[in-house]
Amino acid sequence: DVKVTQSSRYLVKRTGEKVFLECVQDMDHENMFWYRQDPGLGLRLIYFSYDVKMKEKGDIPEGYSVSREKKERFSLILESASTNQTSMYLCASRRTGTANYGYTFGSGTRLTVV
Amino acid sequence: SQQGEEDPQALSIQEGENATMNCSYKTSINNLQWYRQNSGRGLVHLILIRSNEREKHSGRLRVTLDTSKKSSSLLITASRAADTASYFCATDAKDKVIFGPGTSLSVIP
Repeated sequence: DVKVTQSSRYLVKRTGEKVFLECVQDMDHENMFWYRQDPGLGLRLIYFSYDVKMKEKGDIPEGYSVSREKKERFSLILESASTNQTSMYLCASRRTGTANYGYTFGSGTRLTVV
Repeated sequence: SQQGEEDPQALSIQEGENATMNCSYKTSINNLQWYRQNSGRGLVHLILIRSNEREKHSGRLRVTLDTSKKSSSLLITASRAADTASYFCATDAKDKVIFGPGTSLSVIP
């Protein structure tokens, strides 16, 4: 069964810590995405990547960075965690090409910054 | 503002009834997708309808797309308690997918 795996379901971190959220997909998808989901705000795109070592800013990149050293792995980094980064983080991947494809999402990481 | 907006925000029905959710959007799209999210989990892709399609079925799901009105609907027939979840439409345009705020569906046994 193909899937996107996020390393942690729940995380609690302290303000100022550097936080790594890991995402791995086994579908050989080119495109990978990081979203955060907050009540009343829906899903907001943080960063995405079309290929290894490539990254593009989404709608809310401030305070975040990403790394894609291997095709299957896309990491989200909170350089210095703040309480306003408490959220549900969702990783997704999608096959690229001219045809239309949907996203495959991971189960999410609920991050609490205290 | 959001590209896709679902309506209603919340819907409560009895098991066995049909549930209809609507999605409106503003700009031209390549396709429109519907997702389901169970509480505290990731989103699951349900169905994708291309801009040149008008209707699509998948099991108990029926999706329609009206590009002239920039709207789509998701119909779940013969609902079950397990259908209780949030449902999101996502519009795919110019390599960017934008999710709406979702409809929360409660199916009462």
